[in-house]
Amino acid sequence: DAKTTQPPSMDCAEGRAANLPCNHSTISGNEYVYWYRQIHSQGPQYIIHGLKNNETNEMASLIITEDRKSSTLILPHATLRDTAVYYCIVRVPDSGYALNFGKGTSLLVTP
Amino acid sequence: SAVISQKPSRDICQRGTSLTIQCQVDSQVTMMFWYRQQPGQSLTLIATANQGSEATYESGFVIDKFPISRPNLTFSTLTVSNMSPEDSSIYLCSVEDWASGLYNEQFFGPGTRLTVL
Repeated sequence: DAKTTQPPSMDCAEGRAANLPCNHSTISGNEYVYWYRQIHSQGPQYIIHGLKNNETNEMASLIITEDRKSSTLILPHATLRDTAVYYCIVRVPDSGYALNFGKGTSLLVTP
Repeated sequence: SAVISQKPSRDICQRGTSLTIQCQVDSQVTMMFWYRQQPGQSLTLIATANQGSEATYESGFVIDKFPISRPNLTFSTLTVSNMSPEDSSIYLCSVEDWASGLYNEQFFGPGTRLTVL
């Protein structure tokens, strides 16, 4: 799986959009971009994934650049409960391989 | 989605003893994985456990230290053997079911927090 680079930490004010960047310059054509988050003392939780088109679900939006070398996870209206470590992972779906977790971004949402 | 439970949720053990962690899924799943998360660190894969075959271990993890069973499609166990304080971690199981693969996502259990004295 391709390697990803994320900032170690970010802050965001409650109610504002949180934009979490991820670089994956060595991503291959069949690899998807996945985002998970881990709230303190819980197991990781799937957020969203995409191949090359922008994706949106009830939790977040995923913006992937045209060259697919980077992406941004957007939490449109961050709440205190969004405070967590966010992991950007690239992988081939249904590959039989586990998720390769990097260090992630620790997002702190402040009142 | 898959709902995963783990037992025990936490334990405090003496060095030299062993602990078996159980992972139960509410549906049949293809792939099961065991991860370790050391204090303040990210998740590290220990092994992949598929029903009917031996577990596949990652570099740095061996079967004698972390024996795994996968007797059916809804259950797996991980044993941490001959424990030392360095084994103090959170141990998590996760599953992926290709058959349902709507999101190709992996689901995680709540974790087992192990402290070795």
